[in-house]
Amino acid sequence: NAGVTQTPKFQVLKTGQSMTLQCAQDMNHEYMSWYRQDPGMGLRLIHYSVGAGITDQGEVPNGYNVSRSTTEDFPLRLLSAAPSQTSVYFCASSPTGTGRNSPLHFGNGTRLTVT
Amino acid sequence: AQRVTQPEKLLSVFKGAPVELKCNYSYSGSPELFWYVQYSRQRLQLLLRHISRESIKGFTADLNKGETSFHLKKPFAQEEDSAMYYCALSSTRGTASKLTFGTGTRLQVTL
Repeated sequence: NAGVTQTPKFQVLKTGQSMTLQCAQDMNHEYMSWYRQDPGMGLRLIHYSVGAGITDQGEVPNGYNVSRSTTEDFPLRLLSAAPSQTSVYFCASSPTGTGRNSPLHFGNGTRLTVT
Repeated sequence: AQRVTQPEKLLSVFKGAPVELKCNYSYSGSPELFWYVQYSRQRLQLLLRHISRESIKGFTADLNKGETSFHLKKPFAQEEDSAMYYCALSSTRGTASKLTFGTGTRLQVTL
């Protein structure tokens, strides 16, 4: 079992460029989410999905788009990268939601630098 | 809105000393709380959840609704406990389901 797989591991972008961070899970989890991790700010929720075809915004959604066409994949798109989006991005999944019986499984993260 | 506060960015203790990582929360509903840990070069993983009242790697955490706290404790720190610890609060309303993290506390255990 690969669990939650994120690609790429590292990425450098110039301001204004677009890119997609990939996230895939092979555990048949309904719930998937994206977080960004910044020093002194912990993990902040960007977007999440409770199932294929359903997405919703988290705490810091501006500048990011998501879609969930399959149960396995939950890509995060940066339409026009900005230096403020320099961060480490984590994808996480769980069987159903974030409740007591559904802990999150995290990927290894993508370190993004925007210059 | 829900909020999780971890007041200490860094906690440094000697090996064998007791550890207490503080976590306070703000939530209007019935809280479901967790501790997650990130060891060096490893992915973030669940340490324990309040509902199970379990002890994992010697750590325990008790939910105190009166003080709105969920502090993580261990009687005797070990070197391998050095890591980043995050307290997290789950909120669910209809189909919306979110896990809100605190800012994290780095635990450093020294000899």
